[in-house]
Amino acid sequence: KAGVTQTPRYLIKTRGQQVTLSCSPISGHRSVSWYQQTPGQGLQFLFEYFSETQRNKGNFPGRFSGRQFSNSRSEMNVSTLELGDSALYLCASSPLAGGYEQYFGPGTRLTVT
Amino acid sequence: GDSVVQTEGQVLPSEGDSLIVNCSYETTQYPSLFWYVQYPGEGPQLHLKAMKANDKGRNKGFEAMYRKETTSFHLEKDSVQESDSAVYFCALIPNTNAGKSTFGDGTTLTVKP
Repeated sequence: KAGVTQTPRYLIKTRGQQVTLSCSPISGHRSVSWYQQTPGQGLQFLFEYFSETQRNKGNFPGRFSGRQFSNSRSEMNVSTLELGDSALYLCASSPLAGGYEQYFGPGTRLTVT
Repeated sequence: GDSVVQTEGQVLPSEGDSLIVNCSYETTQYPSLFWYVQYPGEGPQLHLKAMKANDKGRNKGFEAMYRKETTSFHLEKDSVQESDSAVYFCALIPNTNAGKSTFGDGTTLTVKP
């Protein structure tokens, strides 16, 4: 089975712009979670989607949003980018709701200048 | 809110040494506990898990015991190898609010040859 894929792998954006990141889960997995990883903050949970519904959301501002499509693929959007949004954004898929067995993708490295 | 604390940011044992990487957690809900391992340029991989108190997770010579009385899930190995070098993250998922994962800041294990 192919693993979790994330596109693009690297992205450079300017402060104030918006960005959309994409995640394709492992075939058959219906749960997709997103995380922000930074050197100072570790992995911070953004949100989890299961069967196109957001089940849980972390403590991030409303500029961070996501959605899941009927084929379980997911997108994450960040609007009005700030310098502090520079991070590795990880997507994880799971066959179960709740993220008990998460398989992570390689991440998208976002740099905001 | 929930929290996971890993007291060591970095550990530097020699090959053949024993290892303990500390993990303590705090939550008002009954959690499942996990260790993830992350290699350079990759997303985290599930290393081992324990779903309830007194369960022991095991993988590739590593063990971690879910201790509810001390709210700990320390990662242990009798004899580390150079190939074990990676970043290790402890994480919890509250069983009554599944999906909202909380990760520790990570411990970098560098095994000296």
